[in-house]
Amino acid sequence: SQQGEEDPQALSIQEGENATMNCSYKTSINNLQWYRQNSGRGLVHLILIRSNEREKHSGRLRVTLDTSKKSSSLLITASRAADTASYFCATGITGGGNKLTFGTGTQLKVEL
Amino acid sequence: NAGVTQTPKFQVLKTGQSMTLQCAQDMNHEYMSWYRQDPGMGLRLIHYSVGAGITDQGEVPNGYNVSRSTTEDFPLRLLSAAPSQTSVYFCASSKRGLAGAKETQYFGPGTRLLVL
Repeated sequence: SQQGEEDPQALSIQEGENATMNCSYKTSINNLQWYRQNSGRGLVHLILIRSNEREKHSGRLRVTLDTSKKSSSLLITASRAADTASYFCATGITGGGNKLTFGTGTQLKVEL
Repeated sequence: NAGVTQTPKFQVLKTGQSMTLQCAQDMNHEYMSWYRQDPGMGLRLIHYSVGAGITDQGEVPNGYNVSRSTTEDFPLRLLSAAPSQTSVYFCASSKRGLAGAKETQYFGPGTRLLVL
């Protein structure tokens, strides 16, 4: 079964708006990562947050992690048409080796 | 660095045929993994390796074999292709993390496989 569940499944916004995607997971984790996938391409790592961290920033990206609620959110500020892609959260679990478990993803469309 | 490379980019097989999907990385990463991605789903782990000579099963290993004779290469073998194995396959690699934490995974461009 999937460890991560993203919400919403699809999101359509106007350029310049902020986009927020949420991820929930089921078991204790070691770290949580967000990846981006453009149509027909491989995944690209965006940001990693460890289980002892609560918030992390990278450029226009802000990730939060609430281990008590087993949830994370990815905020993309001032979105651009080039941000159109699918976004996946992936969790690394304690004692899980190098395995990451991916969610089903959020499809983001940023319109001009 | 070329990063993670995969060949072929696209392959059509008939049911029952076998083939090997190639994956190579030039970043001297210890960890390598194979995932499959199906429409509307995230990536599911097929097999992974924590170093040369060491492999283990992931979530969906049936019908696939792997080996890791070198740090650089991690081929995925389909023993007898079935239509259910039609998918996009991604190889990924990562370096050993600090205190057991698992670091960023770097993905290849994928191989699209169609089994008729």
